[in-house]
Amino acid sequence: NAGVTQTPKFQVLKTGQSMTLQCAQDMNHEYMSWYRQDPGMGLRLIHYSVGAGITDQGEVPNGYNVSRSTTEDFPLRLLSAAPSQTSVYFCASRGGGSYNEQFFGPGTRLTVL
Amino acid sequence: AQTVTQSQPEMSVQEAETVTLSCTYDTSENNYYLFWYKQPPSRQMILVIRQEAYKQQNATENRFSVNFQKAAKSFSLKISDSQLGDTAMYFCAFMKPPGNQFYFGTGTSLTVIP
Repeated sequence: NAGVTQTPKFQVLKTGQSMTLQCAQDMNHEYMSWYRQDPGMGLRLIHYSVGAGITDQGEVPNGYNVSRSTTEDFPLRLLSAAPSQTSVYFCASRGGGSYNEQFFGPGTRLTVL
Repeated sequence: AQTVTQSQPEMSVQEAETVTLSCTYDTSENNYYLFWYKQPPSRQMILVIRQEAYKQQNATENRFSVNFQKAAKSFSLKISDSQLGDTAMYFCAFMKPPGNQFYFGTGTSLTVIP
């Protein structure tokens, strides 16, 4: 099993550009989430999904869109990148059952100039 | 929203000694889960230990144990026999079922000194 994979690992964008961060998991997990990690802020939840076709907003959803057309994939779209979106982005997945471990991808470091 | 507070931004410990990292949280829920994650310089998030709120017994995983005080809303992590590989950022996290919303603290940077 590859676990949770994210692409790309690094990305530099100019203000106003759009892009999609890819996330995939091969563990047949129901739950998937996107977080951003900023210095001194810990991880903050952007969007999450409890199954294919179902998504919801987390703490900091503005400027981001998500969709979940399959169980495996959960892409995060930046519609019009802003310098405030410079961050490290983590995707995570978890199986059903509250006690199940949440597995994280390796992260994407995004810089918006 | 739930809040998770880690009041120690940085800590250090001598190799082989014991260190305790603090975490407090604020919630009105009765059923929830608490976690400690480790993030080494590789950036990978690794689950260290987890605790179910309805279990009174404190969780342990080898050299890692927690002191869960539900009434005080406190969830500290004790690392015994500290090793150089324990050097990392440690995050406390709260999760309320049945959804998937995890709330993380701001982290404690732990350095193990040889």
